[in-house]
Amino acid sequence: GENVEQHPSTLSVQEGDSAVIKCTYSDSASNYFPWYKQELGKGPQLIIDIRSNVGEKKDQRIAVTLNKTAKHFSLHITETQPEDSAVYFCAASPGTGTASKLTFGTGTRLQVTL
Amino acid sequence: GAVVSQHPSWVICKSGTSVKIECRSLDFQATTMFWYRQFPKQSLMLMATSNEGSKATYEQGVEKDKFLINHASLTLSTLTVTSAHPEDSSFYICSAISAGGVPDTQYFGPGTRLTVL
Repeated sequence: GENVEQHPSTLSVQEGDSAVIKCTYSDSASNYFPWYKQELGKGPQLIIDIRSNVGEKKDQRIAVTLNKTAKHFSLHITETQPEDSAVYFCAASPGTGTASKLTFGTGTRLQVTL
Repeated sequence: GAVVSQHPSWVICKSGTSVKIECRSLDFQATTMFWYRQFPKQSLMLMATSNEGSKATYEQGVEKDKFLINHASLTLSTLTVTSAHPEDSSFYICSAISAGGVPDTQYFGPGTRLTVL
């Protein structure tokens, strides 16, 4: 089955700096890669996703890049703000329509300091 | 749009009792819903995939007789933890895929924290 590795496990940045979280996956059949933000005691919130036919996607301060050959994808957050502090999870899926299952990475705890 | 709710948000029960958790898609129809559990400071682990009108598909190692899943309508799935024990204490989260929305995108509920005494 799919295996998703995520690094780093914790990340501390100063407000205004950029943060980068990296994930690798094992199954070459995976072609859908979402990123979720989870605040303490809450459910995950989808922040951005990318499919295998695209190399990069951007939404305001958040961007995701995908390298299918190397089987890795990354989340980039620019101009970080204290409210960006949370746990971020990457995930991968074969994207086979409504039956697709997500395999999650182990999570990155991002701390944005003032 | 794409709001998923869960009820209750937290529950405390005695060992040996059963607990039912509801997952509802509020503004869309969900042909597929998923149930996850998450232990403190860990990732989400998929327990089962639930399709409306059919039996749930459980992940390896998940006891189907202990975690009963019912997906009776396009907006409601329930998870019943039967004969709960302290080791079942966890954060249970559901997600749903919109029948007419973006393929593969899962929208998550706020989670239910279960504590078994």
